[in-house]
Amino acid sequence: RKEVEQDPGPFNVPEGATVAFNCTYSNSASQSFFWYRQDCRKEPKLLMSVYSSGNEDGRFTAQLNRASQYISLLIRDSKLSDSATYLCVVKENSGGSNYKLTFGKGTLLTVNP
Amino acid sequence: DVKVTQSSRYLVKRTGEKVFLECVQDMDHENMFWYRQDPGLGLRLIYFSYDVKMKEKGDIPEGYSVSREKKERFSLILESASTNQTSMYLCASTRPNTEAFFGQGTRLTVV
Repeated sequence: RKEVEQDPGPFNVPEGATVAFNCTYSNSASQSFFWYRQDCRKEPKLLMSVYSSGNEDGRFTAQLNRASQYISLLIRDSKLSDSATYLCVVKENSGGSNYKLTFGKGTLLTVNP
Repeated sequence: DVKVTQSSRYLVKRTGEKVFLECVQDMDHENMFWYRQDPGLGLRLIYFSYDVKMKEKGDIPEGYSVSREKKERFSLILESASTNQTSMYLCASTRPNTEAFFGQGTRLTVV
């Protein structure tokens, strides 16, 4: 089983749609979880951290289920500007201050007019 | 404003050349990473470091080495570049309890 697995996509949705991305991780000791957004030919940038209680930022909602080792991202009322690749990221502590970041392969979202 | 800076946006090198990719961060982060990103394969971890002179192999270290002589700088070295190392290389840094910040990426072409 791969360490971090995401929906392969691509997702093509109309403006205003609600879209959900899912991600599973294999290491139960993983400590921190994030969703990143990557635009074409640019570096990944943090979209939001994911907390155990779930968290919301405007149209974006992230959820974490530690028991199922599952992370999700929900985008409501999608905009053209949401078109990007969304990356699920898991941070693990390898001992002391040694941290490892593992990325899912990413899911491409295209929002159409 | 936090910053991770990679020395080049685009590089073209010949097969067999020794290639240095430099990454500098100004956030006093302990942890630094080198990834390569290829279509369909996502970001794959090459090497990472949690302290000066400390390094750990990632998932695909073959053909690469790294150097971390100072906390702010993490260098990726291709000892003898090959065409299958043509890729986008991304450097990142982080510390406990924060997200990771990325450099702008270096698109390396080996001919």
